[in-house]
Amino acid sequence: DAGVIQSPRHEVTEMGQEVTLRCKPISGHNSLFWYRQTMMRGLELLIYFNNNVPIDDSGMPEDRFSAKMPNASFSTLKIQPSEPRDSAVYFCASSSQNGPFFFGPGTRLLVL
Amino acid sequence: AQSVAQPEDQVNVAEGNPLTVKCTYSVSGNPYLFWYVQYPNRGLQFLLKYITGDNLVKGSYGFEAEFNKSQTSFHLKKPSALVSDSALYFCAVRDSGGYQKVTFGTGTKLQVIP
Repeated sequence: DAGVIQSPRHEVTEMGQEVTLRCKPISGHNSLFWYRQTMMRGLELLIYFNNNVPIDDSGMPEDRFSAKMPNASFSTLKIQPSEPRDSAVYFCASSSQNGPFFFGPGTRLLVL
Repeated sequence: AQSVAQPEDQVNVAEGNPLTVKCTYSVSGNPYLFWYVQYPNRGLQFLLKYITGDNLVKGSYGFEAEFNKSQTSFHLKKPSALVSDSALYFCAVRDSGGYQKVTFGTGTKLQVIP
């Protein structure tokens, strides 16, 4: 298995632009998580899905952030409009029932 | 609500010495506990987990962790530290019941000094 796949690996954009991050979880995993990591705030859970259904989105910072999981093999995290304070590394992770998480390599986002 | 505490922001240890990275947790039901390691500019990598059974759990790269229910702790240990063990370590807890939400600690930076 290729593991969790994230794209793009790096993204540089200007304030106000739309950003879409993509994630392909490990096949057979039924839970998917989006995390954000910064030096100041550490690792923050943004949202997680179980069987493609959003279970907890309380970590989504504000309405500018949205996430979808249209099927078991694909999820997106969208930021519209983006702001400089959104600059961070965004990780996607997946797991099976009660299993450990497996993290993707992350997307390093820089909003100018 | 579940929570994880990693009381040390950084741990320094000499190469060859034993190391311990501390973790305590709070969860309403039975805990599922995990340790992850993050090397610079990389994602988190799974090290080991405790679900049930023996309190001493062995994982990758020679690491082990001891589950202590009375102290609600799950400390990460290694008998002999390597310079290459220098990284950021995260403890995580998941409640055995309900939704599969996992809570991560704030991370402990391990520095192994040659």
